[in-house]
Amino acid sequence: DQQVKQNSPSLSVQEGRISILNCDYTNSMFDYFLWYKKYPAEGPTFLISISSIKDKNEDGRFTVFLNKSAKHLSLHIVPSQPGDSAVYFCAARGTYSGAGSYQLTFGKGTKLSVIP
Amino acid sequence: DSGVTQTPKHLITATGQRVTLRCSPRSGDLSVYWYQQSLDQGLQFLIQYYNGEERAKGNILERFSAQQFPDLHSELNLSSLELGDSALYFCASSVRDRGPAEAFFGQGTRLTVV
Repeated sequence: DQQVKQNSPSLSVQEGRISILNCDYTNSMFDYFLWYKKYPAEGPTFLISISSIKDKNEDGRFTVFLNKSAKHLSLHIVPSQPGDSAVYFCAARGTYSGAGSYQLTFGKGTKLSVIP
Repeated sequence: DSGVTQTPKHLITATGQRVTLRCSPRSGDLSVYWYQQSLDQGLQFLIQYYNGEERAKGNILERFSAQQFPDLHSELNLSSLELGDSALYFCASSVRDRGPAEAFFGQGTRLTVV
């Protein structure tokens, strides 16, 4: 049962245009959502996050939108740059594993290619 | 450079064998998390250690085990390896034990079982 879904394995966007990466989740207990970026041969890097009490969080060119009723979040990158080409993972937090620790559930990732 | 070091970067071994993956967390980080990324899959949480003690378990097989040593480095032991264990194994570390939102990931160890 995949609780976090990224239905688009890949996305190609022209440089300077907007990139929109989507993520759907099924578990209503998730309370915090994160996006990670991963370059080849590197580990994932935290990019931006949003709490379930908000519907938008912005950090420079990156904005994450959360629609709780639809259980959907999206990452907008404006303007897209060739250096943004990477795999983007959506992750959700909410599984309480005891002793004050929460774990993340990751989607399968979307490979973004920004074409110069 | 995240400051998290994983060794080896690549590992090829035969079915039935046992391997040990090593992770050195960032200086000062007390929590270590292990994740598995199989082909076309998201990162699956395996296990977390905090200051030497097991804190949380995820989808870790009984053939797998881990430990965190007094110097805070961690090892993931995989035994009776099967072809399906071929994957990228990531280690992450964070200062606190509240979950990996602020965690930093290593480059991963690519394990190939033949």
